Amino acid sequence: GAGVSQSPSNKVTEKGKDVELRCDPISGHTALYWYRQSLGQGLEFLIYFQGNSAPDKSGLPSDRFSAERTGGSVSTLTIQRTQQEDSAVYLCASSLASGANYEQYFGPGTRLTVT
Amino acid sequence: QKEVEQNSGPLSVPEGAIASLNCTYSDRGSQSFFWYRQYSGKSPELIMFIYSNGDKEDGRFTAQLNKASQYVSLLIRDSQPSDSATYLCAVDMNFNKFYFGSGTKLNVKP
Repeated sequence: GAGVSQSPSNKVTEKGKDVELRCDPISGHTALYWYRQSLGQGLEFLIYFQGNSAPDKSGLPSDRFSAERTGGSVSTLTIQRTQQEDSAVYLCASSLASGANYEQYFGPGTRLTVT
Repeated sequence: QKEVEQNSGPLSVPEGAIASLNCTYSDRGSQSFFWYRQYSGKSPELIMFIYSNGDKEDGRFTAQLNKASQYVSLLIRDSQPSDSATYLCAVDMNFNKFYFGSGTKLNVKP
């Protein structure tokens, strides 16, 4: 079956522009996670959704970052007024439900470069 | 500050040897621990998870957890060149908020 998909795969943007990153989770997965991975680093938790609700937004780095999920499926991560330090790979993962008992399946990521 | 620490490596082992990867974490209340493998340019994939103190074996992989020492490790027996990757330790420290280490790069030499 289809896995987690993300688009675009690569995005180059100028500093100060807004970007939208999209995640399509595996069908039927109610939990969705966003992470950021800078070069040579581990994953930094950003936010997770259970259904359309985001119980914990504390991982978002600044108020320039926001995320939403609609219909319990597709999620978008929006970065406003991008900065060079936002350059990273943004990974989305989904799982059947929230909680550590459920394996997270990762998408291929979106590589964001801010020039 | 909630942290997960790993030695960045690279850890080099000959083919057939045992590779030992280590991870420490800061939150004593953490309950769930995960090991992910990430090939260069690819997304992480789950290898194992462990919740209870002691050892958990799955094929060539053994996860070891010591909550008193806040330490979790991954042993890979009979290492193969295909095991060469970065191994990420992850800890669920705050119900569904997963903290990852920066990863240990493993090189298995033929």
